[in-house]
Amino acid sequence: NAGVMQNPRHLVRRRGQEARLRCSPMKGHSHVYWYRQLPEEGLKFMVYLQKENIIDESGMPKERFSAEFPKEGPSILRIQQVVRGDSAAYFCASSLPRGRSTDTQYFGPGTRLTVL
Amino acid sequence: DAKTTQPPSMDCAEGRAANLPCNHSTISGNEYVYWYRQIHSQGPQYIIHGLKNNETNEMASLIITEDRKSSTLILPHATLRDTAVYYCIVGGLSGGSNYKLTFGKGTLLTVNP
Repeated sequence: NAGVMQNPRHLVRRRGQEARLRCSPMKGHSHVYWYRQLPEEGLKFMVYLQKENIIDESGMPKERFSAEFPKEGPSILRIQQVVRGDSAAYFCASSLPRGRSTDTQYFGPGTRLTVL
Repeated sequence: DAKTTQPPSMDCAEGRAANLPCNHSTISGNEYVYWYRQIHSQGPQYIIHGLKNNETNEMASLIITEDRKSSTLILPHATLRDTAVYYCIVGGLSGGSNYKLTFGKGTLLTVNP
């Protein structure tokens, strides 16, 4: 039973480049959440998505960041024109639809983004 | 801001029970108590959750006080691999905006040989 998968595990980008982070939820999970963990800090919620819908993006920076969860394929967190302050670990979590017996969020291993 | 209070660090001897406390005095009626842990640089790992009753699974036990203002996570026989930061989080199921898990600073549990 594969868990949440994220790739790449490590990503290095130069300032101004684009970063694309992918997340494949657990089998049967249709809800995806992205969190960011800056160095020496706790995880912070970024965005909550269902298939083809963004439910809550209140934690996303207003510019350069976007997320999608298409009908087919993984969820993508996209960061345009990266800056050094974007260096962090980005974690994806998935859950069953809310309202089911449990919608516990299960996390992936994360993508560590380093901006040079 | 985290709605829970945890000690910053604790030590435990290998093979002994680890009891991690958490205060959540402002918890509301429909909020659950979740516990996750994060082993260095890895993704948070779900441990257990509960609403009112005590819960037990293959990893741990969760004891919630009757007034629900505090809880204790119990690892019955701690091993070196249990060394991690443990997060106590309150959140809700079934609607609302409580899907935003709020990770505070957690408790760094160090299991010593």
